[in-house]
Amino acid sequence: QVQLRESGPGLVEPSQSLSLTCTVSGESLNSGRHYWSWIRQRPGKVPEWIGYIFYTETTEYNPSLKSRSLMSVDTSRNQFSLTIKSLTVADTAMYYCARGGGYCSAGSCYGSPWFDPWGQGILVTVSS
Amino acid sequence: QSVLTQPPSVSGAPGQTVTISCTGDMSNIGAGYDVNWYQQLPGTAPKLLIYRNTNRPSGVPDRFSASRSDTSASLAITGLQAEDETDYYCQSYDSGLSASFVFGTGTTVTVL
Repeated sequence: QVQLRESGPGLVEPSQSLSLTCTVSGESLNSGRHYWSWIRQRPGKVPEWIGYIFYTETTEYNPSLKSRSLMSVDTSRNQFSLTIKSLTVADTAMYYCARGGGYCSAGSCYGSPWFDPWGQGILVTVSS
Repeated sequence: QSVLTQPPSVSGAPGQTVTISCTGDMSNIGAGYDVNWYQQLPGTAPKLLIYRNTNRPSGVPDRFSASRSDTSASLAITGLQAEDETDYYCQSYDSGLSASFVFGTGTTVTVL
């Protein structure tokens, strides 16, 4: 059974950077079977996909966050990470890691373009 | 603002059937990208209900079914139960100006 768990700070000051790590158990990232994503959900809002990473370090980001986001993978620890810089209060959200994503073009997607399972999430508050 | 539009709320009595629509356009569902559905209970992460338009993951009751046509999709819950009262989201890929995976606006199901 695949499980994901997010870790990182719960409180970050505005203008600072946020770094989160997702630890995966039950599946090896370097098996290459899936892409791995970060998704956030602001209070009372719909989920927002942030980006995905493949074990080869191939990444794709939501254009709305691309300029401030960076994902990395550590296959030796079976973890992948997200850094978002220049935080504002609008970045306050529940951040989830999830298995899923893939390269999409011309009406079809390579990989598993759905998200399952998800981690339990980590609430990040941006405040001074 | 999501490119996938869902009704804010639907309701039904126990045992009835409710349907949730997900309306997109030619840059997402109409372009051929699959639709997936999630259930989100309060205070928890979304849970996958349907993938690739019509497929149920192991463990999801067959009361949940989905379909897809042209630029829209729908989720049906038959034999509505009290535990089904929560939020539901559709999800697909949008190839428009801001190409990315996108979630619908969300629908709250109320069991009367």
